[in-house]
Amino acid sequence: DTEVTQTPKHLVMGMTNKKSLKCEQHMGHRAMYWYKQKAKKPPELMFVYSYEKLSINESVPSRFSPECPNSSLLNLHLHALQPEDSALYLCASSQGAQPKVAYEQYFGPGTRLTVT
Amino acid sequence: GESVGLHLPTLSVQEGDNSIINCAYSNSASDYFIWYKQESGKGPQFIIDIRSNMDKRQGQRVTVLLNKTVKHLSLQIAATQPGDSAVYFCAEGDRDSGYALNFGKGTSLLVTP
Repeated sequence: DTEVTQTPKHLVMGMTNKKSLKCEQHMGHRAMYWYKQKAKKPPELMFVYSYEKLSINESVPSRFSPECPNSSLLNLHLHALQPEDSALYLCASSQGAQPKVAYEQYFGPGTRLTVT
Repeated sequence: GESVGLHLPTLSVQEGDNSIINCAYSNSASDYFIWYKQESGKGPQFIIDIRSNMDKRQGQRVTVLLNKTVKHLSLQIAATQPGDSAVYFCAEGDRDSGYALNFGKGTSLLVTP
């Protein structure tokens, strides 16, 4: 299994809603990532989890709250979002077995989020 | 911060021709480079990577070249096919940042019959 799955595929939410994005991988990877991608732009890193601990937070607003319940799952909790937060949210994972060693990242298909 | 960028935003090639997509980077500490292909409505798909101790790496129909002297990376696709039409991103990482990837702007490759 070399797949990263994400649910839901599409999400429309109002600015007062609370929703969650989910990501799952069963490749035994120990590093997981959230990226945000606006149309016709490259992915921008939001968060990195290594061995289920948050290791990088790229100054993301607190209305985005990541959670890593176990080594296979990664969630992104959304609350009080703004219309400009509408984007494709991508999850990725990598082997990440050793710190300071580069491993290829594998991406999921993304969740297309629209904030109304 | 330092950036990774591409020389050409769009590239149109004929089916069967070879394609070359270029990428410049500015972070001299970068020691890991990776190419992704992203089709419309999908997540980025890993193509090939290269570490700074190499200057060339080959995969199936793809070759990545790294010139550390001028901080330049290229992706060569042999015998380009219509299915190769997509946006291609280069990305770089370095040890000090824990290899968090910094993506370039992307090149749209269009393969015409």
